[in-house]
Amino acid sequence: AQSVTQLDSHVSVSEGTPVLLRCNYSSSYSPSLFWYVQHPNKGLQLLLKYTSAATLVKGINGFEAEFKKSETSFHLTKPSAHMSDAAEYFCVVSDKDTDKLIFGTGTRLQVFP
Amino acid sequence: NAGVMQNPRHLVRRRGQEARLRCSPMKGHSHVYWYRQLPEEGLKFMVYLQKENIIDESGMPKERFSAEFPKEGPSILRIQQVVRGDSAAYFCASSPSGGDYGYTFGSGTRLTVV
Repeated sequence: AQSVTQLDSHVSVSEGTPVLLRCNYSSSYSPSLFWYVQHPNKGLQLLLKYTSAATLVKGINGFEAEFKKSETSFHLTKPSAHMSDAAEYFCVVSDKDTDKLIFGTGTRLQVFP
Repeated sequence: NAGVMQNPRHLVRRRGQEARLRCSPMKGHSHVYWYRQLPEEGLKFMVYLQKENIIDESGMPKERFSAEFPKEGPSILRIQQVVRGDSAAYFCASSPSGGDYGYTFGSGTRLTVV
């Protein structure tokens, strides 16, 4: 079965400093992985996706993630946080057998001025 | 392209009433998924439908919940005899061909049972 584990439930950074949101995956085959962002009382927006092409994936709003098979990780990074990045971030894996997306429990990012 | 449209955005029901949540997928998308998000939790899969067919309803409670995606019109998630524990955000997503390339999500319906 596929699963993802988000290692931090909360991350706090100062504006202008780097962001690192950690995600480890478990998959019996080459996975499709995604990061979604949810701003308060809003829907989910796709930030980026990995589908077995380049291991470094660039997304919207300056975010990127690197697929590391040896570490079974897919961490989300951004060089410089902005106040508008404050939101909940979900790491997600696609279960190819069932066509379902399996969500992590989320990481709440706070950005302080 | 209007994206995935969900309505209503907010729905308040008294205990014992019925709740109907609607989802219109993106144009050209024939796969619809419903997820539920309880307060302070991640999203949990409920049901996966294609036109006129339920493909996977393994995440749906066995009683009071039903879903459909008719040949014409939106997908409907129906909750009968709502209870306080049904209060949550319900998200619909659509895709053209399964989940492997991700879904497009709607903005959700926030159901409050009073």
